[in-house]
Amino acid sequence: GAGVSQSPSNKVTEKGKDVELRCDPISGHTALYWYRQRLGQGLEFLIYFQGNSAPDKSGLPSDRFSAERTGESVSTLTIQRTQQEDSAVYLCASSLARFNQPQHFGDGTRLSIL
Amino acid sequence: AQTVTQSQPEMSVQEAETVTLSCTYDTSENNYYLFWYKQPPSRQMILVIRQEAYKQQNATENRFSVNFQKAAKSFSLKISDSQLGDTAMYFCAFMKQDTGRRALTFGSGTRLQVQP
Repeated sequence: GAGVSQSPSNKVTEKGKDVELRCDPISGHTALYWYRQRLGQGLEFLIYFQGNSAPDKSGLPSDRFSAERTGESVSTLTIQRTQQEDSAVYLCASSLARFNQPQHFGDGTRLSIL
Repeated sequence: AQTVTQSQPEMSVQEAETVTLSCTYDTSENNYYLFWYKQPPSRQMILVIRQEAYKQQNATENRFSVNFQKAAKSFSLKISDSQLGDTAMYFCAFMKQDTGRRALTFGSGTRLQVQP
């Protein structure tokens, strides 16, 4: 079956612009996660959605970052007034509801801020 | 807060040989899960193996096995009969057994190069 799909694959934008990244989870996966991976580093948790519950936003680094998800479908991560330190790969993952289910990752969006 | 440490930034192994990647973690939790993920140049994170902390038996998946030492908070990955396709970044990750908080905490990764 289809895996987690992210778009765009690569995004180059100028400092100060807003960007929107998209994630299509695996069908039936109620949990969705966003992570950030800076060059040569591990993944940092950003935000977690579970069904219709309030999202866990504890990993968002600043109020320039926000994310939405409608029901159990597509999610968008928005970064406003981008800064050069926002340059990274943004990875999305989804999983089934049970807490011991593994997270399945997309290929990520490589964001480059000029 | 949990932390995960991978002290080997890079490792190299000859094809068909065995290699062990190290991971230690720090937590006050008693119930949790540990994972090894592989990230090839394609960027996609691929789950290699996982271990439930309450299980004493070490997890195995074909050529991949772990040495889980709960008291020492150590979780190393052994790759047997290394293949060229094993070349990738390997990340150790931790997750609390908590229905409200399911984020993975990752280490900084080990780059493994399998030499022909």
